[in-house]
Amino acid sequence: DIVMTQSPATLSVSPGERVTLSCRASQSVSSNLAWYQQKPGQAPRLLIYGASTRDTGIPGRFSGSGSGTELTLTISSLQSEDFAVYYCQQYHKWPWTFGQGTKVEIK
Amino acid sequence: EVQLVESGGDLVHPGGSLRLSCAASGFTFSSYSMNWVRQAPGKGLEWVSYISSSSSTIHYADSVKGRFTISRDNAKNSLYLQMNSLRDEDTAVYYCASSGWYGYYFDYWGQGTLVTVSS
Repeated sequence: DIVMTQSPATLSVSPGERVTLSCRASQSVSSNLAWYQQKPGQAPRLLIYGASTRDTGIPGRFSGSGSGTELTLTISSLQSEDFAVYYCQQYHKWPWTFGQGTKVEIK
Repeated sequence: EVQLVESGGDLVHPGGSLRLSCAASGFTFSSYSMNWVRQAPGKGLEWVSYISSSSSTIHYADSVKGRFTISRDNAKNSLYLQMNSLRDEDTAVYYCASSGWYGYYFDYWGQGTLVTVSS
């Protein structure tokens, strides 16, 4: 199985800061990677698919980059509503696997 | 508006069975592949099972293979998960989620239903 490793586990940031979340794959996933945001008590929400394509309605401050084994989610200027847990997921090879998540919390 | 509404979660003893349902609306259900994804309390996300739009292709995570069965009824716009031989480690919120049009990511999610396996 492809193991997805996210770093850091927790990120403490202030509103307005730029945030970079990392997702590393144990083998290449090409660009078959998605990012999700999950707030407490809610279902995950798709942010990015194809490593860099924003889903419909996702603000432009969210961007995805990278391919292969090193992928990144960047939030250009963190808003109060962005404090949440973020997961990456590869869909390059069965079984699809998620990273363990990065929690973005208020500093 | 796309809606996915899960039901059927409950408290069940180890070794017991449960059937989850997911009612879909707001999109052409019969055209989309569907999935079950679960999340144990305080933990991350785990993909559980996949079914293609026509039910011709089905996949399971190794952790549930041989115990869970995914199915769908396109006439009823519904997705199901039959869960047998339940274990403590199956305790989780179970989400149904549709597959994306351009790949096997999950673009729409239900609100989840809680399955608790405990004696």
